[in-house]
Amino acid sequence: EPEVTQTPSHQVTQMGQEVILRCVPISNHLYFYWYRQILGQKVEFLVSFYNNEISEKSEIFDDQFSVERPDGSNFTLKIRSTKLEDSAMYFCASTMTSGSGETQYFGPGTRLLVL
Amino acid sequence: AQSVSQHNHHVILSEAASLELGCNYSYGGTVNLFWYVQYPGQHLQLLLKYFSGDPLVKGIKGFEAEFIKSKFSFNLRKPSVQWSDTAEYFCAVNGGSSASKIIFGSGTRLSIRP
Repeated sequence: EPEVTQTPSHQVTQMGQEVILRCVPISNHLYFYWYRQILGQKVEFLVSFYNNEISEKSEIFDDQFSVERPDGSNFTLKIRSTKLEDSAMYFCASTMTSGSGETQYFGPGTRLLVL
Repeated sequence: AQSVSQHNHHVILSEAASLELGCNYSYGGTVNLFWYVQYPGQHLQLLLKYFSGDPLVKGIKGFEAEFIKSKFSFNLRKPSVQWSDTAEYFCAVNGGSSASKIIFGSGTRLSIRP
């Protein structure tokens, strides 16, 4: 069964550094998402992406965050200057269409630790 | 505001006990409802979903959930749990289009005593 994959599985970085989290959505999917889960808290929506542009973003997704689909397969989340509070598990998700009954499939996550 | 509430933060059961995890949502308009499970060290997996039709939804691994529109609830049930059901369970909702953002509850940690 096709899966969403994410790399790296773990990333440790220093505060103020840039990080890029990578995702490979399921190949025929058209809608892409990033969510995050701070340790002990709920999963929160960050951003959705369709047709090479952001469809929706949350308050969390400020100017320090950006997303890109640089080629036909990858979907990246960049944090320009990391803060301690960016430490979290970041999940990528994708879905094929917006039609009723479609499911968002989640990747295994990247655990980001900002020191 | 759109939100999902899960009543129990941590549930501890013995094997073969019956399970019911509560979930209530606040969302205007048509909703799609989900239960996701996260086994230790693994990623989110879809247990079951409700989009329309029969409000009693059956999912994988013997789980089921009932959508009660009048109560804004979507409780998860399993008649007899196993040790392997130990995991975190998330109720979630999105509305309108299936492509819209998913709003998650805070999760319920289920621990099963062997």
